[in-house]
Amino acid sequence: GENVEQHPSTLSVQEGDSAVIKCTYSDSASNYFPWYKQELGKRPQLIIDIRSNVGEKKDQRIAVTLNKTAKHFSLHITETQPEDSAVYFCAASNNNDMRFGAGTRLTVKP
Amino acid sequence: EAQVTQNPRYLITVTGKKLTVTCSQNMNHEYMSWYRQDPGLGLRQIYYSMNVEVTDKGDVPEGYKVSRKEKRNFPLILESPSPNQTSLYFCASSPRPGTGLEQYFGPGTRLTVT
Repeated sequence: GENVEQHPSTLSVQEGDSAVIKCTYSDSASNYFPWYKQELGKRPQLIIDIRSNVGEKKDQRIAVTLNKTAKHFSLHITETQPEDSAVYFCAASNNNDMRFGAGTRLTVKP
Repeated sequence: EAQVTQNPRYLITVTGKKLTVTCSQNMNHEYMSWYRQDPGLGLRQIYYSMNVEVTDKGDVPEGYKVSRKEKRNFPLILESPSPNQTSLYFCASSPRPGTGLEQYFGPGTRLTVT
């Protein structure tokens, strides 16, 4: 089955700096790669996603890149703000089920 | 308002006492699933359902049962809860498989088994 690994597990950046979170997956049949943000005590919320026929997608300060050959994808947050502090999860889906990474706790220091 | 709801939100119970966590969605989604979230382990899938009367095991199905008699409801049943099932549980739904699973999560149920 699919196995998703996520790094780093914790990340601390200064406000205004960029943050990068990386994930690898094992199942070449995976075709959908969402990223979720979970604030303390809240449910995971989809922030951006990418499908296997696209290499990069951007939404304001957030971007995701996908390298299908290497089976890895990354989340990039630019100009970080304190409200970006949360746990971020990557996931990989093959249409039947979804596997999540273990999460990255991002802290943005003012 | 489109949403996924779970009940109860918090539950403290004792070992062996059967319990059910309900999940309901009002978006006519075909796909529903249950996850448990534990520190350092992320979200692990327990069971999922592609449609009514169709359910499949996820990564950690032991000790759990589900049913999908109606499209909108997907209850999670713990026949004989044990302390290792203490966790935060999320139900999620998605429009339909085959298009990428854009999942919408419920608010979560924090379960403690003593």
